[in-house]
Amino acid sequence: IQMTQSPSSVSASVGDRINITCRASQGISRWLAWYQQKPGKAPELLIYSTSTLQSGVPSRFSGSGSGTDFTLTISSLQPEDFATYYCQQGDSMPRTFGQGTKVEV
Amino acid sequence: EEQMVQSGGGLVQPGGSLRISCAASGFTISNIYMNWVRQTPEKGLEWVSVLYSGGSTYYADSVKGRFTISRDISKNTLYLQMNSLREEDTAMYYCARGLNGGVRYFDSWGQGTLVTVSS
Repeated sequence: IQMTQSPSSVSASVGDRINITCRASQGISRWLAWYQQKPGKAPELLIYSTSTLQSGVPSRFSGSGSGTDFTLTISSLQPEDFATYYCQQGDSMPRTFGQGTKVEV
Repeated sequence: EEQMVQSGGGLVQPGGSLRISCAASGFTISNIYMNWVRQTPEKGLEWVSVLYSGGSTYYADSVKGRFTISRDISKNTLYLQMNSLREEDTAMYYCARGLNGGVRYFDSWGQGTLVTVSS
């Protein structure tokens, strides 16, 4: 299953609301996760099963969608949110990731 | 505290072998689906292999027949034995734990270990 994210990068400011889209090449029900990665660090799980926040993740992050189209929303961007975000499908093997969306100032 | 500490990366020539390790603490890897995921600037994140709690193993087509995932329960350590290495195997390799003991998502990652395949 191919995962395609858009945009590949987004310029934003603190306080902005941003949306990142992920499209699967075939239906994956709601088996989708989002990860955040900062430079030099491993990815961190933010959201799984489309909309379930991982423990400790701030409520400004939210996810929606089903089937082939999914969205990660950050309601009010904070300085620590500038990072690269990846989607990943958990529907079938092999697990596959989107190419990433870089959120930058 | 639950964590995974990786070791064993480095520079290896094409056709060579390397074994990387992922030592876990704070949880028992034999009860968990454990994975290897690699990352390159060009290809992004790529799932490589999984070791099920029951012992079954699965591999990406790109590494099947060349890589072997295994564990030492007494050391609570996950391994990836990489043989017949190719330049395209050059990547940062991460071990990653299955969320809530499951197989769909990855809730904890090692710090990464760099494998460079070059002559």
